[in-house]
Amino acid sequence: NAGVTQTPKFQVLKTGQSMTLQCAQDMNHNSMYWYRQDPGMGLRLIYYSASEGTTDKGEVPNGYNVSRLNKREFSLRLESAAPSQTSVYFCASSLTGSDTEAFFGQGTRLTVV
Amino acid sequence: GENVEQHPSTLSVQEGDSAVIKCTYSDSASNYFPWYKQELGKRPQLIIDIRSNVGEKKDQRIAVTLNKTAKHFSLHITETQPEDSAVYFCAASLGGSYIPTFGRGTSLIVHP
Repeated sequence: NAGVTQTPKFQVLKTGQSMTLQCAQDMNHNSMYWYRQDPGMGLRLIYYSASEGTTDKGEVPNGYNVSRLNKREFSLRLESAAPSQTSVYFCASSLTGSDTEAFFGQGTRLTVV
Repeated sequence: GENVEQHPSTLSVQEGDSAVIKCTYSDSASNYFPWYKQELGKRPQLIIDIRSNVGEKKDQRIAVTLNKTAKHFSLHITETQPEDSAVYFCAASLGGSYIPTFGRGTSLIVHP
């Protein structure tokens, strides 16, 4: 049972490049999330998908897009990377809504130069 | 929307001491309050949670208390050990389709 798997683990991009962070869960969870973590800022929600077929903006969605490809997979795309998007990104999933435990992926450390 | 304040941002204790981290929330309708521990370089993991119909919950050396009237909840760690050193996040949630709001985290350092 792998839980939540996200790739890649590390990535360096040049300003203006694009990339997609992949996330998959094997727990049959309905809800999936993308967070970014910056020093002193905690976990800030970028986008979430309450259920398959739906996506909604979180606290800091600018510069990102998401796709809920199916129940298992939720990807995050940076169309034109900026240095301000240098961060650690976490994907997470939970069984239903927001009142059940969230399981996090191992994180992606992204540096934009 | 919900707003969660977490204090202190850094907490340094000696091994064996107790540690208390406090969070306040703004929306009185919030009903689920999880705590996550994140070790250095690792992912956050749930360590304990409490729902609004319960005032206190314990799991070995950790406990969480909830005061709905004052809209605050606290994490208590007794007999701290070096392996308790980590960043701890609180969160508050309205449940259902509402997304939990996280506090900014507390870096706990336990000195041997």
